[in-house]
Amino acid sequence: AQSVTQLGSHVSVSEGALVLLRCNYSSSVPPYLFWYVQYPNQGLQLLLKYTTGATLVKGINGFEAEFKKSETSFHLTKPSAHMSDAAEYFCAVSDGPRGQNFVFGPGTRLSVLP
Amino acid sequence: DSGVTQTPKHLITATGQRVTLRCSPRSGDLSVYWYQQSLDQGLQFLIQYYNGEERAKGNILERFSAQQFPDLHSELNLSSLELGDSALYFCASSVDQGTYNEQFFGPGTRLTVL
Repeated sequence: AQSVTQLGSHVSVSEGALVLLRCNYSSSVPPYLFWYVQYPNQGLQLLLKYTTGATLVKGINGFEAEFKKSETSFHLTKPSAHMSDAAEYFCAVSDGPRGQNFVFGPGTRLSVLP
Repeated sequence: DSGVTQTPKHLITATGQRVTLRCSPRSGDLSVYWYQQSLDQGLQFLIQYYNGEERAKGNILERFSAQQFPDLHSELNLSSLELGDSALYFCASSVDQGTYNEQFFGPGTRLTVL
């Protein structure tokens, strides 16, 4: 069975600073990994995903994530935070192309300070 | 706008009652997923339908049931409601059955059980 942990339920950064949101997973099969963002009073939106191939994945709004198998991690980064990045971020894992299991992490709320 | 619609936006009801939440997927999407989001449980996968058939089941209570109709819209039925069922219920859709696909989320239905 898959599981996801996200270190830090709340992260605050200053505008222009580096954003780093941590995600670690466990999976008995090669995982597919996702980051979703939820803006206030809205549904979730896919930021990026890793399935196979290049381990550094670029997503929308300047975000990227790196799949590190040895560390079972898929941390999300953005070089320079913008006020509009304030939202809840969810890491998720699925168990591959025929998978039937899709698990979200508990989420990390990102605050961006002026 | 993700293209996924959910009705109603808000629902207030009493304990013991039964409600039906409705979801229309994006045009062309065959899979529908239901999620429950609450403060204490986070985002929980409930159930997935693909082209009218149940494909995967998550943490769905026996008091809850769902179906997907020939026109691909889906309904989530919640019965014998309890206070703890108060939550945001999201529907998502994707193009086919694999959980590796991007899921497009609707705006959610906020259920309040009094």
